[in-house]
Amino acid sequence: EAGVAQSPRYKIIEKRQSVAFWCNPISGHATLYWYQQILGQGPKLLIQFQNNGVVDDSQLPKDRFSAERLKGVDSTLKIQPAKLEDSAVYLCASSLRREGEQYFGPGTRLTVT
Amino acid sequence: AQTVTQSQPEMSVQEAETVTLSCTYDTSENNYYLFWYKQPPSRQMILVIRQEAYKQQNATENRFSVNFQKAAKSFSLKISDSQLGDTAMYFCAFMTYLGTYKYIFGTGTRLKVLA
Repeated sequence: EAGVAQSPRYKIIEKRQSVAFWCNPISGHATLYWYQQILGQGPKLLIQFQNNGVVDDSQLPKDRFSAERLKGVDSTLKIQPAKLEDSAVYLCASSLRREGEQYFGPGTRLTVT
Repeated sequence: AQTVTQSQPEMSVQEAETVTLSCTYDTSENNYYLFWYKQPPSRQMILVIRQEAYKQQNATENRFSVNFQKAAKSFSLKISDSQLGDTAMYFCAFMTYLGTYKYIFGTGTRLKVLA
């Protein structure tokens, strides 16, 4: 089966610019996650979707970050405007059930200059 | 609040030997899950092993096994017969249900297997 796809793989932007990341989960996986992984740290959950509804966005900086999952499949994560501290790898993951194994994508490495 | 601590930032082991990675966590919940994930250099994170807190038996997956001590809130990973392909970052993760499923990852242990 195809894995979790993410694009782009790398992105460099200047501060105050906007950026969007795309994720295509494994077919049939109802739960989708976005994580932020800052260098030297573990992944931090930003937002969790169940189908196309948000079930947890408690750690999403909502003043600048937004995410959506239209039709319960693909998802996009947007940052507007970006700050230097947003430099990180953004990981997308999906799972068949919310308590089940998470399958991770390759991540998008964002550098904000 | 739930926390996960991995106190060993880096470790190394000789090929074919055994190594143990430490993880401790803090929670007031009784029902939860614990995971070890592996993140090889420039590759995707994958699940190594999973443990349900209600199960007393330690989980094993081939060369990987855990020592789950619920009372001590400890969840260590043992890798037997280490192979060069085991070189990776290893993350301990905790999940519990608090109205929704909450996931917390540790800061990781970088393991290098030496030939």
